[in-house]
Amino acid sequence: GESVGLHLPTLSVQEGDNSIINCAYSNSASDYFIWYKQESGKGPQFIIDIRSNMDKRQGQRVTVLLNKTVKHLSLQIAATQPGDSAVYFCAENGGSNYKLTFGKGTLLTVNP
Amino acid sequence: DVKVTQSSRYLVKRTGEKVFLECVQDMDHENMFWYRQDPGLGLRLIYFSYDVKMKEKGDIPEGYSVSREKKERFSLILESASTNQTSMYLCASTWDRGKTEAFFGQGTRLTVV
Repeated sequence: GESVGLHLPTLSVQEGDNSIINCAYSNSASDYFIWYKQESGKGPQFIIDIRSNMDKRQGQRVTVLLNKTVKHLSLQIAATQPGDSAVYFCAENGGSNYKLTFGKGTLLTVNP
Repeated sequence: DVKVTQSSRYLVKRTGEKVFLECVQDMDHENMFWYRQDPGLGLRLIYFSYDVKMKEKGDIPEGYSVSREKKERFSLILESASTNQTSMYLCASTWDRGKTEAFFGQGTRLTVV
């Protein structure tokens, strides 16, 4: 079936390094993708999104890359800070008009 | 800012009880969702609603029902709580169906004993 998955369940980086979190999707009909950050005890928070007519989108310290050829999505965080420690989820809409399907998440740990 | 509020942060219920989880959003969003979140399984969609009194099953609707009598409020009902329904429940709302970000509440940690 269609699914959104992650290559790595955990990622540990040093403060100040750049982080890259990856996500694979299998539904070629997906045309909208989102990255969420979830801190312990909180609901997911929107980070950045991208539509399928784009390959790259940048925000503040974050960049999302979309490779439709291999159905791959990545989130890059520049100069990672301790406050970036959280679980990161990707989500895709499967081309549907109603719902998002989420990956299982990657735990990012930033070491001081 | 969009605000999605879930009525409880923590709940402890007994097996067999009927449980209501309430969610309210203040941005006039048409679409609302209930997810459950379990370690290693990510977020799984239980039910969603795209209009008042309208509801659609998600991926794991068994053992749950929902109610949407007003646009701003979406309730999740566990008809007879079971221990395998112990989980984190997340409510979300969105303006445009599947085309814009979903805004989440803070979550309700439900424990069924």
